Amino acid sequence: NAGVTQTPKFQVLKTGQSMTLQCAQDMNHNSMYWYRQDPGMGLRLIYYSASEGTTDKGEVPNGYNVSRLNKREFSLRLESAAPSQTSVYFCASSARRDTPLHFGNGTRLTVT
Amino acid sequence: SQQGEEDPQALSIQEGENATMNCSYKTSINNLQWYRQNSGRGLVHLILIRSNEREKHSGRLRVTLDTSKKSSSLLITASRAADTASYFCATDKSGTALIFGKGTTLSVSS
Repeated sequence: NAGVTQTPKFQVLKTGQSMTLQCAQDMNHNSMYWYRQDPGMGLRLIYYSASEGTTDKGEVPNGYNVSRLNKREFSLRLESAAPSQTSVYFCASSARRDTPLHFGNGTRLTVT
Repeated sequence: SQQGEEDPQALSIQEGENATMNCSYKTSINNLQWYRQNSGRGLVHLILIRSNEREKHSGRLRVTLDTSKKSSSLLITASRAADTASYFCATDKSGTALIFGKGTTLSVSS
């Protein structure tokens, strides 16, 4: 089973460019999440979707938008990238909001 | 602001020794979870302990939860080189998704 698949694995952007990070899960999970991981900061929640059709802000939502396209897919969009958004982005899913998370392997984004 | 904070930030031990990591949190929780992250990979769930539980075991892992002190500990017994990784606690409280701490980096040398 693929689990949680993130694309792309690596990306370099110039300041001001936009891009969408894709995430798909094949476990029929209801909830999906986007986290960013920076050195010394652990993981910080950007947005989450408790169920199809709903999205909620996390700890650090500024500069990002999300779309829960269907039950399988949850995308993260950077409209105008900034160097402060250089990070590793992880998508995760869970059967319900209060059950364990399954993570993808991350997207390593550099904004110059 | 982050809910859980792990202690110590880094831990180095020899194979065969036990490793103990602690997690403190600030507000009431529904459950607390521990995850492992190998270098360059996503996080992997290890164990979930609910607020009405005090101790849970899974193989060489033992987790305790003290809700009165708002703290949890993860014990890895008889550590192996393959246990080298970062370990994170994450707290689940009503109305939001899991909030992670900054992690403990464990290094097990042979």
